[in-house]
Amino acid sequence: NAGVTQTPKFRVLKTGQSMTLLCAQDMNHEYMYWYRQDPGMGLRLIHYSVGEGTTAKGEVPDGYNVSRLKKQNFLLGLESAAPSQTSVYFCASSSSEGTDTQYFGPGTRLTVL
Amino acid sequence: DQQVKQNSPSLSVQEGRISILNCDYTNSMFDYFLWYKKYPAEGPTFLISISSIKDKNEDGRFTVFLNKSAKHLSLHIVPSQPGDSAVYFCAASLPSGGSYIPTFGRGTSLIVHP
Repeated sequence: NAGVTQTPKFRVLKTGQSMTLLCAQDMNHEYMYWYRQDPGMGLRLIHYSVGEGTTAKGEVPDGYNVSRLKKQNFLLGLESAAPSQTSVYFCASSSSEGTDTQYFGPGTRLTVL
Repeated sequence: DQQVKQNSPSLSVQEGRISILNCDYTNSMFDYFLWYKKYPAEGPTFLISISSIKDKNEDGRFTVFLNKSAKHLSLHIVPSQPGDSAVYFCAASLPSGGSYIPTFGRGTSLIVHP
């Protein structure tokens, strides 16, 4: 039982390049989330999904797109990376929203030059 | 505007003493609160939670207190240990069954000195 895994762990991009971050969970959770963590800013929600085939915007969705084609996977895409997207990205999953605890992946450190 | 505030970015405590981490919220509809702990280079992990129907929840060395009238909760760690050094995030959510997602505070970095 791996829990929540994220690929890749580190990535350096040049401004304007694109990339996809992959999140996978093996707990059969319905809900999945993408957060970014910046110094002094805590965890800010980018997008989330309440089930396979669904996505919704969070607090800071601009510049990102997501897809949930399979229940166990949640992809975060950057179509044209900007230096402001330099951050640590965390994926999380939970069986439902609200009172259920979220299980987080180890994070992806992204640097955009 | 932040709905969940952790006004102390950092806290330094001596080993064996009590650590008290504070969290304030503005939305009176929040009714479930969670604390997560995060070590460097790792994802956050769940620590303890409390429902609004309670004013205290205890799990070993960790106790969370909720004061609904003041919209304030606190996490007490007694006794503090060097391994407790981490960033602690407070989170709040609306009633289960709603479409709301937990809102996180900005975190408090706890350092426990040996």
